[in-house]
Amino acid sequence: DTGVSQDPRHKITKRGQNVTFRCDPISEHNRLYWYRQTLGQGPEFLTYFQNEAQLEKSRLLSDRFSAERPKGSFSTLEIQRTEQGDSAMYLCASSLKQGANTEAFFGQGTRLTVV
Amino acid sequence: AQKITQTQPGMFVQEKEAVTLDCTYDTSDPSYGLFWYKQPSSGEMIFLIYQGSYDQQNATEGRYSLNFQKARKSANLVISASQLGDSAMYFCAMCEGQNFVFGPGTRLSVLP
Repeated sequence: DTGVSQDPRHKITKRGQNVTFRCDPISEHNRLYWYRQTLGQGPEFLTYFQNEAQLEKSRLLSDRFSAERPKGSFSTLEIQRTEQGDSAMYLCASSLKQGANTEAFFGQGTRLTVV
Repeated sequence: AQKITQTQPGMFVQEKEAVTLDCTYDTSDPSYGLFWYKQPSSGEMIFLIYQGSYDQQNATEGRYSLNFQKARKSANLVISASQLGDSAMYFCAMCEGQNFVFGPGTRLSVLP
């Protein structure tokens, strides 16, 4: 499978615990995006990387959230001291070209439930 | 301010008929891309069709076509000959500069 893969697919955690998600983009893609999607809503942008550089972060990304893409390949999204409001689907996407004329390919997401 | 507006929270269509899903957008950037994605109940986001802001012709991909009206800033998705498998959430998205922004989505239900 050469698509975007995310791990784990599901995560249940207790409030206050830290969680880390992984995203493996399509191998030649230089852009990687993280989105959060709550039930009945469209995906909300969190952050994106061009190679290993994190170029933009949303205001939604509080201090408890951190994302890395250390070698410009896979990326991790960590949430510290999780809260119930963090429960959502976390989507990763990747794309190849710069500019507005290329689609982003999405992984199947990690569904986080904070209890 | 909302960049992508999808005014139809839910739509119903009879199998084999055509349906139009509305999308309007807001941007001051002359260069942008418009995309439609399908999200079935399984959760994956599936790319359907793309329209560039400088494209002269409306995009088509199989049963999907995009009715692009630049002056009105609208990019409606037309699905012809609906199939039961088309039942899903549909999201309109815009790539402006470096980022993708999504609309709230329209839930399409195809009736047998």
